[in-house]
Amino acid sequence: QKEVEQDPGPLSVPEGAIVSLNCTYSNSAFQYFMWYRQYSRKGPELLMYTYSSGNKEDGRFTAQVDKSSKYISLFIRDSQPSDSATYLCAMANAGKSTFGDGTTLTVKP
Amino acid sequence: GAVVSQHPSRVICKSGTSVKIECRSLDFQATTMFWYRQFPKQSLMLMATSNEGSKATYEQGVEKDKFLINHASLTLSTLTVTSAHPEDSSFYICSANNDNTDTQYFGPGTRLTVL
Repeated sequence: QKEVEQDPGPLSVPEGAIVSLNCTYSNSAFQYFMWYRQYSRKGPELLMYTYSSGNKEDGRFTAQVDKSSKYISLFIRDSQPSDSATYLCAMANAGKSTFGDGTTLTVKP
Repeated sequence: GAVVSQHPSRVICKSGTSVKIECRSLDFQATTMFWYRQFPKQSLMLMATSNEGSKATYEQGVEKDKFLINHASLTLSTLTVTSAHPEDSSFYICSANNDNTDTQYFGPGTRLTVL
């Protein structure tokens, strides 16, 4: 079993929809939780970074961490075609990150 | 802040030649840098962890003599693909770990094509 599980999708939604991306993990030692966005043929870009359980909001993006359930989510409100990309969750502890395999999202105009 | 550059962005070379890729953290120090490989529509595959001033740690199945890693300073790591072959053609991405936040920041990637 992988330490980090992420639904690979693909996920296709209409423009304006609310998108929910999720990951589960098994290692309770993870302390930092990140979401990255990767466009085709580009390096991943850090979107959100959280340390503790709870919600963190940045514009249309909300990251949610539930350490008790070992579950993290990224919500995208009012999704746009420019949000079409692969989203990677990641968890870190002691200088080492473990990544999910990524969820490919397509937002249709 | 937290910018990582990678050079070159694209390289085409003949089979048998060696290619060096540079990864720099521009505005933060990174004791640890990582090198990944990614094939089209596949997830990131960690190749090695590069620690400043010490030998890199390679993942299982990655040949250390083929993929030479040097991390000479807190802001620079290099990956040299030696005697490259067409099967080495891939997208190589580095990342640098911000020592303060334990968060990785990625470079833009290098597309290697070996003819």
